Amino acid sequence: EVQLVESGGGLVKPGGSLRLSCTTSGFTFSGAWMTWVRQAPGRGLEWVGRIKSGGTTNYAAYVNGRFTISRDDAKDTLYLQMNSLKDDDTAVYFCAADVPGRGVGELDYWGQGILVTVSS
Amino acid sequence: EIVLTQSPGTVSLSPGEGATLSCRASQSVSSSYFTWYQHKPGQAPRLLVYGASSRATGIPDRFSGSGSGTDFTLTISRLEPEDFAVYYCQIYDISQVTFGGGTKVEIK
Repeated sequence: EVQLVESGGGLVKPGGSLRLSCTTSGFTFSGAWMTWVRQAPGRGLEWVGRIKSGGTTNYAAYVNGRFTISRDDAKDTLYLQMNSLKDDDTAVYFCAADVPGRGVGELDYWGQGILVTVSS
Repeated sequence: EIVLTQSPGTVSLSPGEGATLSCRASQSVSSSYFTWYQHKPGQAPRLLVYGASSRATGIPDRFSGSGSGTDFTLTISRLEPEDFAVYYCQIYDISQVTFGGGTKVEIK
């Protein structure tokens, strides 16, 4: 059974930092492209960024150097380091996996999400 | 940057009715890189259709995707109670991924 479980969310003040983790099982993590997606209250899904197998990263423009995605293939775990957080970073953050073998770029598996609240 | 516009924003239908959801891209995209998801509140989003028309594993055949170029469609032939949700289109690009704004399918 495939599982993706996010952790590390919570309440943080504007300007603060937070690191999210996504622990996975049930698929070959090292071969997957891993993605973070977020959903602000009352809004739709918004892509944050991804890390390919091998470590290349891409980010949404609004991240503007504030977030860093990394992975530990030995631990089957994905990370999102978020710095200089703003009020509008408040959202549920989902991790998702694009595993090879089907199409191109689709997110095959998703976690349940973790809430990050940025507020003073 | 490609923009995906979904319509309608919300559609109200009864179980048993059909639904047609549209997603329009601001420029022509490869069908191979076009995806649909279903999302219910408090749950993980679920992959429905990839490559514009291929159903993901375990997805019922009442869901079908079609389209090419700039216009793509997700059709639900007969709505079941569990199909009431928000549906998102998504396009993959070499440097980023873009989601549409979503279409909410609600019970009439």
